[in-house]
Amino acid sequence: AQKITQTQPGMFVQEKEAVTLDCTYDTSDQSYGLFWYKQPSSGEMIFLIYQGSYDEQNATEGRYSLNFQKARKSANLVISASQLGDSAMYFCAMRDTQGGSEKLVFGKGTKLTVNP
Amino acid sequence: DSGVTQTPKHLITATGQRVTLRCSPRSGDLSVYWYQQSLDQGLQFLIQYYNGEERAKGNILERFSAQQFPDLHSELNLSSLELGDSALYFCASSAWTGLNGNTIYFGEGSWLTVV
Repeated sequence: AQKITQTQPGMFVQEKEAVTLDCTYDTSDQSYGLFWYKQPSSGEMIFLIYQGSYDEQNATEGRYSLNFQKARKSANLVISASQLGDSAMYFCAMRDTQGGSEKLVFGKGTKLTVNP
Repeated sequence: DSGVTQTPKHLITATGQRVTLRCSPRSGDLSVYWYQQSLDQGLQFLIQYYNGEERAKGNILERFSAQQFPDLHSELNLSSLELGDSALYFCASSAWTGLNGNTIYFGEGSWLTVV
């Protein structure tokens, strides 16, 4: 079964600096997808970035980039030039398509605090 | 704005009661998912519907049921509510067709408090 591990319960970063949030995954599938979501204190779950297992290049979306290392089974999120509004919970998730259906398996999340 | 609409945003109800949470997926998305987020269990997958048919079941209690209607909106029914059912319930949708590659978007969630 798919498993996502986020080992950093909390991270702190200074405004305007870059930060890396760690995510490792476990799967026996050859084709899979990895997602990052942001959850501010207001509760909504905001899609940030997606990486497919066969994508040759690391995904980027504005200030977000995904450092995908397939051999290490890691998919770390890099946020450049942190802003105060980046303070939130961040979840790494993997698509599980066993049994002809689809669901996301989530990690426990990392709480990011951006300090002024 | 993800395009996924959930109502109500907040709900307070008593133990033993029944509630219905409603979800309208993004335009064109045929697949709808329900997730529960609680402090002790984290984010748990409940159920997936695709074009009106149930496709996958996760950790959904027998007291809970869901359906997807012909107009593709979905409802999650929670009955005989217990204090432990207090959680944030998310609906998500995607253009999933059985293949990889599509993005899954979440609604803003429905906060359920059982007192």
